[in-house]
Amino acid sequence: AQSVTQLDSQVPVFEEAPVELRCNYSSSVSVYLFWYVQYPNQGLQLLLKYLSGSTLVKGINGFEAEFNKSQTSFHLRKPSVHISDTAEYFCAVRGTRSNDYKLSFGAGTTVTVRA
Amino acid sequence: NAGVMQNPRHLVRRRGQEARLRCSPMKGHSHVYWYRQLPEEGLKFMVYLQKENIIDESGMPKERFSAEFPKEGPSILRIQQVVRGDSAAYFCASSPSAGGGTEAFFGQGTRLTVV
Repeated sequence: AQSVTQLDSQVPVFEEAPVELRCNYSSSVSVYLFWYVQYPNQGLQLLLKYLSGSTLVKGINGFEAEFNKSQTSFHLRKPSVHISDTAEYFCAVRGTRSNDYKLSFGAGTTVTVRA
Repeated sequence: NAGVMQNPRHLVRRRGQEARLRCSPMKGHSHVYWYRQLPEEGLKFMVYLQKENIIDESGMPKERFSAEFPKEGPSILRIQQVVRGDSAAYFCASSPSAGGGTEAFFGQGTRLTVV
């Protein structure tokens, strides 16, 4: 079984400032890692995912995340946010075995970008 | 290729009524997952279905909840005799296969309000 902790429930940030959303996970098996974004009253959209290889993963809309196995973390960053980045962000994990299909989600981080 | 389609987007039911939530997966996707998002929480896995088969319903409440994915037509999540605690957003996701690094695509969700 896996669990995900998102350390910040709310992150206010000014436009054009950098933002970092923290995610730690716990798992007894190796995992794949995902970040999803949920805009108001919308479904979840995949921002980026880590499957293997380079620990720095680049996603859509200028986001990137770094997988740190020793720290069991997968923090999401963006160097300069826009008003349109206001949304809720979810970190999720899933086991790497072929029969692993359940995503385990964190509680979410609400990012509010102000002008 | 249309995305995962869920309807209705919003559903209001009185206590004791039945709620039926529909999900049409993306074309070519035969794997469907239902997740529930309670207020202030992340998404929690409910059930995984393939055509005409329930593969894993470990996240479903034991009573009042059922799901199906018939040979023809959408997947249905059915909640009988709804209670206030059933108020939540219900998300459906689909994928072409299960497990591994396969991405699950999410619908926009059905927001159920029980009054």
